[in-house]
Amino acid sequence: QSALTQPASVSGSPGQSITISCTGTRSDVGSYNLVSWYQQHPGTAPKLMIYEGTKRPSGVSNRFSGSKSGNTASLTISGLQAEDEADYYCCSYALPSTRVFGGGTKLTVL
Amino acid sequence: QVQLVQSGSELKEPGASVKLSCKASGYTFTTYAMHWVRQAPGQGIEWMGWINTNSGNPTYAQGFTGRFVFSLDTSVSTAYLQISSLKAEDTAVYYCAREDDYSFDNWGQGTLVTVSS
Repeated sequence: QSALTQPASVSGSPGQSITISCTGTRSDVGSYNLVSWYQQHPGTAPKLMIYEGTKRPSGVSNRFSGSKSGNTASLTISGLQAEDEADYYCCSYALPSTRVFGGGTKLTVL
Repeated sequence: QVQLVQSGSELKEPGASVKLSCKASGYTFTTYAMHWVRQAPGQGIEWMGWINTNSGNPTYAQGFTGRFVFSLDTSVSTAYLQISSLKAEDTAVYYCAREDDYSFDNWGQGTLVTVSS
């Protein structure tokens, strides 16, 4: 199972919107609406931001949203804030009952 | 509240074995699967596999078969990861993570394993 493809880095200014893509295949992202997104600040454990492609856990800001088109899932962060600066990882369900992560994207808030 | 508390850092020599623990609290342990992931220094997250906490049946990702063993002690709501024949490239932070709705909604704080002579 190959890792999902994410851009190594993205950046944006406070208040702007950014989108992070996560490209897989028909065997994972393309076949299931089961992509999740995680935010990881340095030295801390990842935090769930989006699950089942578009759903936000309780407590996660509505500035975070998820979508999917074909084999590519996306995470959009609107109204960028300094505290959004972190690494972001996507993860997809894949058969048989496995998971695959993306390589991670470093978000810099300028 | 849900908590996953992992055991402390380990320093091991190449060829040794290590057993990491992940103690769950705040929910019924056998209701949710437990996954393990690895993050080497400065690198991304790798999914290692998961264990069905009801049946004890483990599933290992490619690249994590043979030297890696997932186990449980449901009496103390604890999952374990044992790694044998440690290599330098096993140096990483290992996380346990609870699965809910096909995602990882709660994570342990991570255990740093350093393999060095």
